[in-house]
Amino acid sequence: GESVGLHLPTLSVQEGDNSIINCAYSNSASDYFIWYKQESGKGPQFIIDIRSNMDKRQGQRVTVLLNKTVKHLSLQIAATQPGDSAVYFCAENQAGTALIFGKGTTLSVSS
Amino acid sequence: GAGVSQSPSNKVTEKGKDVELRCDPISGHTALYWYRQSLGQGLEFLIYFQGNSAPDKSGLPSDRFSAERTGGSVSTLTIQRTQQEDSAVYLCASSSGLGFYEQYFGPGTRLTVT
Repeated sequence: GESVGLHLPTLSVQEGDNSIINCAYSNSASDYFIWYKQESGKGPQFIIDIRSNMDKRQGQRVTVLLNKTVKHLSLQIAATQPGDSAVYFCAENQAGTALIFGKGTTLSVSS
Repeated sequence: GAGVSQSPSNKVTEKGKDVELRCDPISGHTALYWYRQSLGQGLEFLIYFQGNSAPDKSGLPSDRFSAERTGGSVSTLTIQRTQQEDSAVYLCASSSGLGFYEQYFGPGTRLTVT
């Protein structure tokens, strides 16, 4: 079946660095993409989303890039902080259906 | 404001017993979703409800799993004759509608089947 996957299971960065977390998706019919952050013992928390008619969207310290040609999604976190340490999931959605999640990337930020 | 709540937070049960997991969505949210997260894995869709429409049960792994949503609000996920492979965190989410709407997640119920 079609699914969303992530390139790297773990990413370690120094505080203050910029982080880039990547995700590949396989369903070309997906039209909505979301990044979630999950801290230990908690449910996923929405970070940022993007629709398929866009290729870039910015939030506070975060940017999501969508490349539909190669079916690639990335999350950029500027000036990474220790509080950003968590597991990050990308998810895709075809309007009107539930989300399909990737396996997650664990981001570790050291001071 | 109040977010999505789930109960119990932890449940340990013996193999073969039935369990019920509860989800209270955000008030006014018409869509409710159940997901399962196994250790170190992503979230696996189980079922969703939208308003008064028939639920999408396409993600339920077996007929031992069922869910209902009463009065368009609270939902209960029932697992009958639990098996050890059912051990996971069960997450509930709600949103204002289907599609391009942010899903808000609860803290989950950690189910352990011994």
